Amino acid sequence: GESVGLHLPTLSVQEGDNSIINCAYSNSASDYFIWYKQESGKGPQFIIDIRSNMDKRQGQRVTVLLNKTVKHLSLQIAATQPGDSAVYFCAERKRQLTFGSGTQLTVLP
Amino acid sequence: KAGVTQTPRYLIKTRGQQVTLSCSPISGHRSVSWYQQTPGQGLQFLFEYFSETQRNKGNFPGRFSGRQFSNSRSEMNVSTLELGDSALYLCASSLAVSVGTEAFFGQGTRLTVV
Repeated sequence: GESVGLHLPTLSVQEGDNSIINCAYSNSASDYFIWYKQESGKGPQFIIDIRSNMDKRQGQRVTVLLNKTVKHLSLQIAATQPGDSAVYFCAERKRQLTFGSGTQLTVLP
Repeated sequence: KAGVTQTPRYLIKTRGQQVTLSCSPISGHRSVSWYQQTPGQGLQFLFEYFSETQRNKGNFPGRFSGRQFSNSRSEMNVSTLELGDSALYLCASSLAVSVGTEAFFGQGTRLTVV
């Protein structure tokens, strides 16, 4: 069936390094993707989105890359900070949001 | 402007009981969606309402139901609670149901069934 998923359940990075969180999707007709960040005890928070007619989109310290050929999505966080520690989800929006399983990002001092 | 508000934040219920959760969307948002989040299943879509009409429904049993009022506030109800219904229930609001519309989440209601 149609799904989005994440490559790694956990990722640890040193403070100041760049983080890369990956996501794969199965539906080649998918046309809108979103990355969410969820901190402990809170609901998911929108980070950045991208449409299928784009390959790359940049925000503040974050970049999303979309490779439609291999159906792969990645979120890059520059100069990772302790406040970036959270679970990151990729999601596909068609009729509803379908979420991947999430990657727990831990920022090491 | 105020975000999405969910009440109550925490709830403990007994098996067999029913529960009603409430969600107040961001002012001006007419679409409200509900999600169940568990460690095992992750975030799963329950249903979406727009202008008091259910527009989409996930794969949950009929014990899960919802409604939306004319002021866009939404409630979801779970009847005959089971232990497996223990989860974080999240509500998200957006301006519309169309693709590309950003969804804003509340902090959720943590339901524990004992």
